[in-house]
Amino acid sequence: EPEVTQTPSHQVTQMGQEVILRCVPISNHLYFYWYRQILGQKVEFLVSFYNNEISEKSEIFDDQFSVERPDGSNFTLKIRSTKLEDSAMYFCASSEEGQENEQYFGPGTRLTVT
Amino acid sequence: RKEVEQDPGPFNVPEGATVAFNCTYSNSASQSFFWYRQDCRKEPKLLMSVYSSGNEDGRFTAQLNRASQYISLLIRDSKLSDSATYLCVVNRDYQKVTFGIGTKLQVIP
Repeated sequence: EPEVTQTPSHQVTQMGQEVILRCVPISNHLYFYWYRQILGQKVEFLVSFYNNEISEKSEIFDDQFSVERPDGSNFTLKIRSTKLEDSAMYFCASSEEGQENEQYFGPGTRLTVT
Repeated sequence: RKEVEQDPGPFNVPEGATVAFNCTYSNSASQSFFWYRQDCRKEPKLLMSVYSSGNEDGRFTAQLNRASQYISLLIRDSKLSDSATYLCVVNRDYQKVTFGIGTKLQVIP
């Protein structure tokens, strides 16, 4: 069964450093998303991406965040200058055309900012 | 009022019991509704979509009440493997997805 994959599974970084989280969505999916989940809190929407551009972003997704689809398979989330409060689990998700609302999540990257 | 509200639980139920969770949403423009399941420190996994007519998948039944703006999930004959957190998800459209905090279920032998 096709699945969304994410790397790395755990990333530790120092405050102020840039991080790039990587995702490979399911191959025939066209809609891509990033979410975060701070430990013990709810899953929060960050951004959705379709047709090589951001279609929606939340108030969390400020200028420190950016997304990119650098090639035909990867979808990345960059945090330019990490803060302690960016520590969270970051989930990538994807969905296919016609089933946009049924999103399939990757296993997540645990980001720890020290 | 929160966009999506759930009782965080935990709900501790014996094996074989029937358990029901509710979720309320505040935005009447919401269009699509889902239940996801999340195991500890894992990703959310789609459990089922929720339709106004109600839908059933094995031991799981989901209902939507648009007038009262709530959705429900019923689990019959609970199994130990049902222990997880059940997330209510409400979409305005695919771009605006809101998760509830989740309801934790613990099925006890």
